[in-house]
Amino acid sequence: GNSVTQMEGPVTLSEEAFLTINCTYTATGYPSLFWYVQYPGEGLQLLLKATKADDKGSNKGFEATYRKETTSFHLEKGSVQVSDSAVYFCALTSYNFNKFYFGSGTKLNVKP
Amino acid sequence: DVKVTQSSRYLVKRTGEKVFLECVQDMDHENMFWYRQDPGLGLRLIYFSYDVKMKEKGDIPEGYSVSREKKERFSLILESASTNQTSMYLCASSLGANGNQPQHFGDGTRLSIL
Repeated sequence: GNSVTQMEGPVTLSEEAFLTINCTYTATGYPSLFWYVQYPGEGLQLLLKATKADDKGSNKGFEATYRKETTSFHLEKGSVQVSDSAVYFCALTSYNFNKFYFGSGTKLNVKP
Repeated sequence: DVKVTQSSRYLVKRTGEKVFLECVQDMDHENMFWYRQDPGLGLRLIYFSYDVKMKEKGDIPEGYSVSREKKERFSLILESASTNQTSMYLCASSLGANGNQPQHFGDGTRLSIL
């Protein structure tokens, strides 16, 4: 079956620190992979995506590389800001009507 | 940009009431989804729809039903609200069925059942 496993949070960093949030997946076939961000009181926003092995998704200084050999899609950012404080979700799609499988979310707290 | 609009940000209802949550998208997307989000449980899929008048059960459909009479609108119905349905409800839509299209989310409805 399909599933996504994320590192548990919360993750607490100081401003300008390096961020890694781990995500591994189990999937049949060749899924597409996504990272979403949820700010307090809001819905989920698409952060980046990768649709095939070795693709790198990037947006707003965040990056993630689709690693088929390790079934991973880790989220990284070189220098976090207080405004990056949010909950981050890793997700994959099946080919069944674009149904998504979400990780449990990782809360990031960035301190000034 | 895709716009997914949920009719209410906050809603308070009483036990036993019939509750309607409305969701509208403006990008002609085929697929629409309803999730609930609870602390420690992440997002759980309630129902989804891949076409007008079509619906499929998600992981937790009990106590809910849905309606999709028009392509742009997907309604979630709580037939007889109970306190354990107090939650954040998120609607999403996506284009097509080829597996690499992102889902676009509304801002959510925080529903309290008293």
